[in-house]
Amino acid sequence: AQKITQTQPGMFVQEKEAVTLDCTYDTSDQSYGLFWYKQPSSGEMIFLIYQGSYDEQNATEGRYSLNFQKARKSANLVISASQLGDSAMYFCAHDTGRRALTFGSGTRLQVQP
Amino acid sequence: NAGVMQNPRHLVRRRGQEARLRCSPMKGHSHVYWYRQLPEEGLKFMVYLQKENIIDESGMPKERFSAEFPKEGPSILRIQQVVRGDSAAYFCASSPDRGIAGELFFGEGSRLTVL
Repeated sequence: AQKITQTQPGMFVQEKEAVTLDCTYDTSDQSYGLFWYKQPSSGEMIFLIYQGSYDEQNATEGRYSLNFQKARKSANLVISASQLGDSAMYFCAHDTGRRALTFGSGTRLQVQP
Repeated sequence: NAGVMQNPRHLVRRRGQEARLRCSPMKGHSHVYWYRQLPEEGLKFMVYLQKENIIDESGMPKERFSAEFPKEGPSILRIQQVVRGDSAAYFCASSPDRGIAGELFFGEGSRLTVL
């Protein structure tokens, strides 16, 4: 069974600073994908970034980057230059190609002015 | 280009009533997924459907819950004889035939409250 672990229930960061949200996963599959989603207080799920298990370079999307360490089975999300609008729940998710994602329990990020 | 549309956004039911949640996927998407989110928790997979077929229902409770995705019309998640523990946000997502496997486009969710 796939398992995703997010060990930080809540995080605080000062505006304009960088923050790292942790995610580890447990799988025996060789090919898989890792995703991060943002859920603001309004409730919708917003796709942020994707990393394939065979990608040699860490994924980046604007201020978001994914620190992928395959041997450690970790896929941490790094948000640079935090903004107040980044305050939200962040979910890490894992896919093995069967299309249904397994989500972690989430990290609540609060950006302070 | 409309996104995934879910309705109703909010639904209140009394114990024992039925709840029907609807989901229209993005145009051109033939894969639909339903997830449930309890307060302060992550999303839990329930069911994955393609047109007229249930592909994976490993996350669906064995009783009272059913899902369909007919040839015409939206996907429906049906909960019969609701109980308080069914109170949750139910998210629908869709994906195209091609693209990153697992990249899901989510609706805004339907929030069910059982009194």
